[in-house]
Amino acid sequence: QKEVEQNSGPLSVPEGAIASLNCTYSDRGSQSFFWYRQYSGKSPELIMFIYSNGDKEDGRFTAQLNKASQYVSLLIRDSQPSDSATYLCSLTSGGSNYKLTFGKGTLLTVNP
Amino acid sequence: DVKVTQSSRYLVKRTGEKVFLECVQDMDHENMFWYRQDPGLGLRLIYFSYDVKMKEKGDIPEGYSVSREKKERFSLILESASTNQTSMYLCASSKTTGVLYGYTFGSGTRLTVV
Repeated sequence: QKEVEQNSGPLSVPEGAIASLNCTYSDRGSQSFFWYRQYSGKSPELIMFIYSNGDKEDGRFTAQLNKASQYVSLLIRDSQPSDSATYLCSLTSGGSNYKLTFGKGTLLTVNP
Repeated sequence: DVKVTQSSRYLVKRTGEKVFLECVQDMDHENMFWYRQDPGLGLRLIYFSYDVKMKEKGDIPEGYSVSREKKERFSLILESASTNQTSMYLCASSKTTGVLYGYTFGSGTRLTVV
């Protein structure tokens, strides 16, 4: 099993809808989880991080973590065309508390 | 805000050349990383450093080396550039605390080897 797996995408949603991005991981020892957004031709930018089971909300974004199921997700409410980007799931693994492993990303398109 | 600066946005080099990619961060971060990003392969870790003069291999170190003589600067070296090293190169940094608050990335260097 790959270390970090994301929906292959692309994911297309209408403006105003909820976009759901999913990620599973293989290392049960992973402690810290991050979602990055990457616009085409740009570098990744951090949008959310989560360490504990449950939900964490920041504006229109909600990160959800379930360590028992080894699953982390990102919900984007009231999706806007400006949310169109590739979303990268990343996490600490291999016993390291500072080295991140990244998924391949899911391309999200929000249609006006 | 933390700033991570990569010296070049675009580079074109010839096969066999020695190539230096420079990265500087201005927030006293201990950890620095070099990734390459390719379509369909995602971000792959080349090398990282958790302290001055310290370095560790990542997942794909072959054909690369690094140098960290000062805390703020982390250089990636392609000893003899090859066409399969054409890629987007991303530098990142982070602080060592009890908890990782994520990386800050530089703007990237798109390297083309011809």
